[in-house]
Amino acid sequence: ELKVEQNPLFLSMQEGKNYTIYCNYSTTSDRLYWYRQDPGKSLESLFVLLSNGAVKQEGRLMASLDTKARLSTLHITAAVHDLSATYFCAVDNNDMRFGAGTRLTVKP
Amino acid sequence: NAGVTQTPKFRILKIGQSMTLQCTQDMNHNYMYWYRQDPGMGLKLIYYSVGAGITDKGEVPNGYNVSRSTTEDFPLRLELAAPSQTSVYFCASIRGASNYGYTFGSGTRLTVV
Repeated sequence: ELKVEQNPLFLSMQEGKNYTIYCNYSTTSDRLYWYRQDPGKSLESLFVLLSNGAVKQEGRLMASLDTKARLSTLHITAAVHDLSATYFCAVDNNDMRFGAGTRLTVKP
Repeated sequence: NAGVTQTPKFRILKIGQSMTLQCTQDMNHNYMYWYRQDPGMGLKLIYYSVGAGITDKGEVPNGYNVSRSTTEDFPLRLELAAPSQTSVYFCASIRGASNYGYTFGSGTRLTVV
């Protein structure tokens, strides 16, 4: 059964700092997604990574995928308060399974 | 273009009552999904469908049923509500092998008392 593990589950950062969220998964897949969820809201799609070595960037967020290691990373550069949210990775293996989420708080 | 529409947004049920959570998408997406999200947790897949007339169980299907008679609609039925079903329910859809992520509905917050 496909398992998706994220770490850390909680992350408190200072504004301006860099950090990386990790997403490991247990079975072969070449389609990985990152989502953002604000409190009390639905999920918003951030990135879709479709092949080994894929890298996507949007603003201060950059996501990458290593299918051989079954690992994706979401790197945050020079964090700002607006990035505070919960970030989920999800792996598509006929159905989409989600990690537990990383609750990010960016403090001034 | 409405995307994925879920109704109702909020509902309180008594133990043993039944209800149907509605989900409709207008994007002609083949794949549709139901997830539940417990407070502070990730999403757990309840049921999914790869097209009209086809449904499959996900991680946590017990206590739920679904049907997919049309491409647009994917209702989720709770037959005998239990407190353990208190959660936020999200419906999502995707065309198939897509370069975009799922489109999620706004969610239904269900409380069973």
